Amino acid sequence: DQQVKQNSPSLSVQEGRISILNCDYTNSMFDYFLWYKKYPAEGPTFLISISSIKDKNEDGRFTVFLNKSAKHLSLHIVPSQPGDSAVYFCAASGRSSNTGKLIFGQGTTLQVKP
Amino acid sequence: DADVTQTPRNRITKTGKRIMLECSQTKGHDRMYWYRQDPGLGLRLIYYSFDVKDINKGEISDGYSVSRQAQAKFSLSLESAIPNQTALYFCATSGTGVSQHFGDGTRLSIL
Repeated sequence: DQQVKQNSPSLSVQEGRISILNCDYTNSMFDYFLWYKKYPAEGPTFLISISSIKDKNEDGRFTVFLNKSAKHLSLHIVPSQPGDSAVYFCAASGRSSNTGKLIFGQGTTLQVKP
Repeated sequence: DADVTQTPRNRITKTGKRIMLECSQTKGHDRMYWYRQDPGLGLRLIYYSFDVKDINKGEISDGYSVSRQAQAKFSLSLESAIPNQTALYFCATSGTGVSQHFGDGTRLSIL
């Protein structure tokens, strides 16, 4: 039972264009969402997050959009750079439950071509 | 120096062997976690601990055990390793916030 799904295993974009990574979830109790970035031979690193009380959060080139009615979030990277090539994981938390647990999606491998 | 350090980084062993993966942190966080990553499945939670006296099972705890020796140390053991435990293992920590901080992982292969 995959509560957080990233249905696109991979994405390839040209440098300078927009990258859009998508994530769907099924549990309406999730109230906090995070994106992590992972390079080979390294652990995931936190990128950006959004609370369920918001529909958008922006940090530099990275913006996360949340559509609660559709149980869908997306990460936009504009403009994309070759250094953005990595695996991106979305994760969800029932923050109000204070368990600290994160549920991760399967990951999407982004390749940004020079 | 890394805030979350995992040892060993790579390990190859045989079926039936006992294996311990270690994790130490200098972030001063109370909460520590163990995950495994498999291709196409993302990261799945094995065990987590909110303090030295607290141990909780995660999504896939069968075949694993943990020990929280101190606030800074959280080890994962495979009592009798089997090939389907071949995976990439990550330790993570968190403070009062939701975001977790990960080590660089241990690649474990069981033959």
